[in-house]
Amino acid sequence: DIVMTQSPDSLAVSLGERATINCKSSQSVSYSGDNRNYLAWYQHEPGHPPRLLMTWASTRESGVSDRFSGSGSGTDFTLTINSLQAEDVAVYYCQQYYDSPFTFGQGTKLEIK
Amino acid sequence: QMQLQESGPGLVKPSQTLSLTCNVSSGSISNGFYYWSWMRQPAGKGLEWIGRIYVRGGTNYNPSLESRVTMSLDMAKNQFSLKLSSVTAADTAIYYCARGSYIIRGVTPLNWFDPWGQGTLVTVSS
Repeated sequence: DIVMTQSPDSLAVSLGERATINCKSSQSVSYSGDNRNYLAWYQHEPGHPPRLLMTWASTRESGVSDRFSGSGSGTDFTLTINSLQAEDVAVYYCQQYYDSPFTFGQGTKLEIK
Repeated sequence: QMQLQESGPGLVKPSQTLSLTCNVSSGSISNGFYYWSWMRQPAGKGLEWIGRIYVRGGTNYNPSLESRVTMSLDMAKNQFSLKLSSVTAADTAIYYCARGSYIIRGVTPLNWFDPWGQGTLVTVSS
């Protein structure tokens, strides 16, 4: 199985500042045949179901604020949240869909400092 | 907008079978554009993909659970279900159902998940 490891486990950022969450896979989740990164990001707010933020490492879902951006390739990926707002408090997960079984990172808890 | 909602017993005795149903509204599960998946999350741990079912192609399960998992579809009720047999305390978790979008690379469908149900806590205890 592909192991997904996120860092940090938790993060406290001031309102208006930038939050950066990292995700590392135990093997590459980028496919040279189509030059795509098989990685998704999710936001899980308390009391709500997980919400898909991004696919292909950097393609935002409809309705997701452009304050959220994704980057990376191969085994190293980053989710960046600019101008942090109170509603961004959540746990964030990465997920690889390069191969089955699909696997998730352990989550990064984002709080307001 | 499609919504999913899990239902089932919140308490299951050890060695028994956990049974959950996911009701899908505002969309049909017989739509061949999606897979239908289950995930779970034990307290304090990460998300684990349990498996998926497809209206035209059957099932795929996480090898870690494959010997104990059965998934099924009820198209008349627009529901899909999960059965997990011989449960132990390690199966205590929040269980989520979700719709899986997919792309096929080679012969393998590869899924990301949206939307998800709210989740239901299942505790295994005598």
